[in-house]
Amino acid sequence: DVKVTQSSRYLVKRTGEKVFLECVQDMDHENMFWYRQDPGLGLRLIYFSYDVKMKEKGDIPEGYSVSREKKERFSLILESASTNQTSMYLCASTKLRGTDTQYFGPGTRLTVL
Amino acid sequence: AQSVTQPDIHITVSEGASLELRCNYSYGATPYLFWYVQSPGQGLQLLLKYFSGDTLVQGIKGFEAEFKRSQSSFNLRKPSVHWSDAAEYFCAVGRSYNTDKLIFGTGTRLQVFP
Repeated sequence: DVKVTQSSRYLVKRTGEKVFLECVQDMDHENMFWYRQDPGLGLRLIYFSYDVKMKEKGDIPEGYSVSREKKERFSLILESASTNQTSMYLCASTKLRGTDTQYFGPGTRLTVL
Repeated sequence: AQSVTQPDIHITVSEGASLELRCNYSYGATPYLFWYVQSPGQGLQLLLKYFSGDTLVQGIKGFEAEFKRSQSSFNLRKPSVHWSDAAEYFCAVGRSYNTDKLIFGTGTRLQVFP
């Protein structure tokens, strides 16, 4: 079975802190994604990556950056956390580009005080 | 621009009753359509997907969905709901040639009464 893990289930940070959210997949998938999930808004794509050291902006990249130094790991970085970044963050991966199933991690619920 | 609408925020059904969750999309070309389920405390899991061919798609856990181009709909159905089906359900559409980039609906929360 594909397994996508996220470093924390719950995280509490203060405004202005630098925050790292880590995602690891164990199935040699090429592509990885970061979403945020908010009530009434569904899932929105923040960033994605099709290869190591490669990244592309999604729909809401402002205030975020990403890093993919190894194929299995994709990190989401909040350079200076703000209260409006309080949300559920979901990581996903796919083996192939195009028509492929996305496998999701369990999510990290981030609260910024 | 592509969009996905799930008109029902919250649905409540009795165990054993039939279920239909609505999904409408806005997209110019043939869409790539998905239904995902999110159980409490879990990530999303794919239930089924439609790319082409037979418009009635079978998925896991006894779910099916029907693509109706004339109505721009991709409704999810199950003939008999189980208490374990209580979850949040998301419809999604793939954008143009690159289905990796999905647009998700806002979700429908399903509550099941015994």
